[in-house]
Amino acid sequence: GAVVSQHPSRVICKSGTSVKIECRSLDFQATTMFWYRQFPKQSLMLMATSNEGSKATYEQGVEKDKFLINHASLTLSTLTVTSAHPEDSSFYICSARDREKGGNQPQHFGDGTRLSIL
Amino acid sequence: DQQVKQNSPSLSVQEGRISILNCDYTNSMFDYFLWYKKYPAEGPTFLISISSIKDKNEDGRFTVFLNKSAKHLSLHIVPSQPGDSAVYFCAARLGGTALIFGKGTTLSVSS
Repeated sequence: GAVVSQHPSRVICKSGTSVKIECRSLDFQATTMFWYRQFPKQSLMLMATSNEGSKATYEQGVEKDKFLINHASLTLSTLTVTSAHPEDSSFYICSARDREKGGNQPQHFGDGTRLSIL
Repeated sequence: DQQVKQNSPSLSVQEGRISILNCDYTNSMFDYFLWYKKYPAEGPTFLISISSIKDKNEDGRFTVFLNKSAKHLSLHIVPSQPGDSAVYFCAARLGGTALIFGKGTTLSVSS
């Protein structure tokens, strides 16, 4: 159980393109999903917390107009990298927590999206 | 300023021996700690966790120890197996939601 699906797994596109990444919880509902970014040999850095039915909460230094987050349902959150540039190239990964299980339940991660902007 | 530190980028262990992965943190307000395992091209997989009110949690071959006074936790894997070879991330939770991750330690278990 507790499967999180992230799509696409890899994207290569030209500078200026907007890229949408989907994160789905397949067998549970998640009121909260998290978006992380990882640079090579670095830790996973939280970008934003996505809340179902409300605005996302962005971490300091993350441009909300650059990284648009939509959490329209209890099983889907999307991250759109708008007008992507080479410096946006990175590994993006989402996670979700089962809303039925409170307390100290761990976040479950998708397999990530490798974004390469040419 | 890194709040969760994994100072050893890599660790090599022989099959059957104990693997000890270490993690230090700076924020005494962290209430929950987790270890994740990550294979290449996959997302992190939850391994084991420990609440800040405990000092040990065991699950099969995996044991996590927490030393709050030293702000240090460790993951013990015994006996180590080649399939344990992966990147291990230590993570800490603040305020019940988001996780703060260390940079990871790459474990290599040789047969």
